[in-house]
Order: sequence, then C-alpha cells, then structure tokens
Amino acid sequence: QQQVKQSPQSLIVQKGGISIINCAYENTAFDYFPWYQQFPGKGPALLIAIRPDVSEKKEGRFTISFNKSAKQFSLHIMDSQPGDSATYFCAASRRRDTGRRALTFGSGTRLQVQP
Amino acid sequence: KAGVTQTPRYLIKTRGQQVTLSCSPISGHRSVSWYQQTPGQGLQFLFEYFSETQRNKGNFPGRFSGRQFSNSRSEMNVSTLELGDSALYLCASSLDGRGETQYFGPGTRLLVL
Repeated sequence: QQQVKQSPQSLIVQKGGISIINCAYENTAFDYFPWYQQFPGKGPALLIAIRPDVSEKKEGRFTISFNKSAKQFSLHIMDSQPGDSATYFCAASRRRDTGRRALTFGSGTRLQVQP
Repeated sequence: KAGVTQTPRYLIKTRGQQVTLSCSPISGHRSVSWYQQTPGQGLQFLFEYFSETQRNKGNFPGRFSGRQFSNSRSEMNVSTLELGDSALYLCASSLDGRGETQYFGPGTRLLVL
C-alpha cells in the first residue's frame, strides 16, 4: 500500500524557473511532512519540513505548501539552479503506539535543471 | 560535528551468505533507523533502535535484524542473502526522543550475486 504518492517521476526545468513537486497522502494520522534531497552516491538530506497546522513554510528558495483538507503537499523550488539537480523525496510520519516515528517516503522525483 | 557514518560503503556477497552493516550516529543522537533503498521499491523503513531497544519495525522478513550498542552505534544483519536484497542500506540518526528529524548517512551499497 503506497501511503504517499509523489509526482512527477521526473522533471526538467530551465535555470531560473520554478520546480514544483507534488505529494498526496492517505493516512490522516500523519502529522509531520519533510522533504529530502538526494544526490547520487549520497544519503538523503533534510531540506524542509512542515506540520499540518501550517499551510505554507518557506526557507530560502524552497517552499512547502500544505493542503490538509485535500491531503496534499508540494515543494516549490524558486529560481531553480543546476546545482538543484537531484532526486527529491517527500515523506510523512506519525507517532506510533510505541511513541516512535518512522518515515514513509514517496517514490521520488528526479529533477534536472538545465543551464 | 561529524555526520552519520556507515561502513562498509560497498559490499559484494553471494546468495545464502550473511552480512553485517555498521552505523555510527551523530554524536549525542540516541535513535538509529535503518532504511532500504531500491529502484523498484524506493525507500522503505526497516527498523528503529532507541536506547538499545528496537522500538519500531517495518514489513521485512526476519532475515533482517539489528541491534544497538550502549554508545548508540548500530548494526544491521541480513542472513541467507537473496538476490533481491541488493540495495542501498541507509542509516539515519535523530537526536530527540520523538525520532522526528532524521539525518541520513551515505549508505552501504550491497550487491548480492
């Protein structure tokens, strides 16, 4: 059961453009939504995260938009740069009965920013 | 502060063998989670250890096991390797007791022949 659906699978954007990646989740118990960036040969690195009590969060050129009623959230990369070319993963987590959390990841979006 | 380190970085094994992967979390972090990354299944949660106890487990067979030591270092073991176990195994550590913000290591790439 894929609990977090991510689209598109791949994305090509021109330098200076806006990259938009979308995710949708099913489990309403999710209460923490991070985005990770992964370069080839590296582990995922946390970019930005949001909680459902906030509709938008911005950090530099990266913005998360969150729509709780639609159970959707998206990552916007403004002024995209060639150095942003990487694979991006959305994720979601909830507190389990053990009190602990585990990340459920989307399938990933391979972003290529052309110079 | 040093990041999460994983050893070895690359490993080649044959079917039926077993393998042990190691993870050293960021200093002061007490929680270690393991994930498997494959092209087909993406990133999947294996298990989490906090204060030497397994607190969370994903949907993987019993061939996958782990442990955590008193210094928070963790090991993951896979017994009776199958071809499908070929993957990048990622370790992530977190500082807070909720295990919310996770920092990933570079991973161990395992190839099973």
